[in-house]
Amino acid sequence: EAGVAQSPRYKIIEKRQSVAFWCNPISGHATLYWYQQILGQGPKLLIQFQNNGVVDDSQLPKDRFSAERLKGVDSTLKIQPAKLEDSAVYLCASSLGYEISYEQYFGPGTRLTVT
Amino acid sequence: GDSVTQMEGPVTLSEEAFLTINCTYTATGYPSLFWYVQYPGEGLQLLLKATKADDKGSNKGFEATYRKETTSFHLEKGSVQVSDSAVYFCALSYSGGGADGLTFGKGTHLIIQP
Repeated sequence: EAGVAQSPRYKIIEKRQSVAFWCNPISGHATLYWYQQILGQGPKLLIQFQNNGVVDDSQLPKDRFSAERLKGVDSTLKIQPAKLEDSAVYLCASSLGYEISYEQYFGPGTRLTVT
Repeated sequence: GDSVTQMEGPVTLSEEAFLTINCTYTATGYPSLFWYVQYPGEGLQLLLKATKADDKGSNKGFEATYRKETTSFHLEKGSVQVSDSAVYFCALSYSGGGADGLTFGKGTHLIIQP
């Protein structure tokens, strides 16, 4: 089966510009996650969707970051305006649900460089 | 809040050496524990997991035991190969599969030399 798809794979922007990332989860997966992985650190959960509803966005910097998951399938993560400290790899993951035994599957990530 | 601490890298070993990567956690409840691996150019993959105290997770020759008394989940392998070179992440979650969101350590870069 196809894995989690993300695009673009790489993006370079200047500070104060806006950027959007796209994620297509594994077919049939109800739960979708966005993580931020800064160089030298582990991934940090930004937001979790169950179908098209938000389950957890407690670590999302809502003044500049937004995410949506229309129709409960694809998702976009937007940053507006970007800051230098937003340079990171943005990972999308999906799972069948958020019940006890379901596993998360990760996409390849989008590497963002803010100059 | 919950956190995971793992040994700093890079860790450089010769092929067939014994591997230990230390991982300790701080949690308010009783989490499940995971090791994820990221091979060069690839996405994060689940390596193994343990959902309760004294459970041992194992896969591909790697194993880790959930030690509640020492709040640890150290990763071990008896004989490493060059193909094991990757970044290893220890993580915790309050669901058995991690589907409620994972808290990761910083990662340990493992380099295996022929």
